[in-house]
Amino acid sequence: DGGITQSPKYLFRKEGQNVTLSCEQNLNHDAMYWYRQDPGQGLRLIYYSQIVNDFQKGDIAEGYSVSREKKESFPLTVTSAQKNPTAFYLCASSIASGTNYGYTFGSGTRLTVV
Amino acid sequence: AQSVTQLDSHVSVSEGTPVLLRCNYSSSYSPSLFWYVQHPNKGLQLLLKYTSAATLVKGINGFEAEFKKSETSFHLTKPSAHMSDAAEYFCVVSDTGTYKYIFGTGTRLKVLA
Repeated sequence: DGGITQSPKYLFRKEGQNVTLSCEQNLNHDAMYWYRQDPGQGLRLIYYSQIVNDFQKGDIAEGYSVSREKKESFPLTVTSAQKNPTAFYLCASSIASGTNYGYTFGSGTRLTVV
Repeated sequence: AQSVTQLDSHVSVSEGTPVLLRCNYSSSYSPSLFWYVQHPNKGLQLLLKYTSAATLVKGINGFEAEFKKSETSFHLTKPSAHMSDAAEYFCVVSDTGTYKYIFGTGTRLKVLA
């Protein structure tokens, strides 16, 4: 079955550590996205990529980094510069960046700072 | 700039009664509108979408939504709630030609037995 796989499901980070969240899709989608979800705030866009080897900052990119070396993969690194990283992170993809295509979402990674 | 407002953060209904989740949008151009559902600790699943075709849109699991331009609304309805409908629902707006989806803050639906 085609879909998006996020791993790990739960992740714990110590203060000052960088951690990387994995996102892999086998849908042959060009566009991929990372969102952060906090209670009562909906989803906020961190980074997005419209095509391989290209990505742009979203609304809350500070303290995060991404890469898009392969079409299937769009990993997100939460750096030590992100002061409040505890949240639920969702990866999504769409056929192409554009408004008429719905997103397919992964099942999320819950990151907790310990 | 486009925006979306979900008017209720929590809605409770009894099983078998109708569901109404309200969404108002603001958009300078002809919008695309979506409803997504999220069960606890899961990703979001697309329920339905409006992309300037029929104003009454039917989705999965018996949900439907009506696009009303004069009221700038896109409310989600279901005739009869089921226990499995308990989840969080997000209304999303996006303008033609842009990449960005704007998510509402969500409505948590509780279904009482």
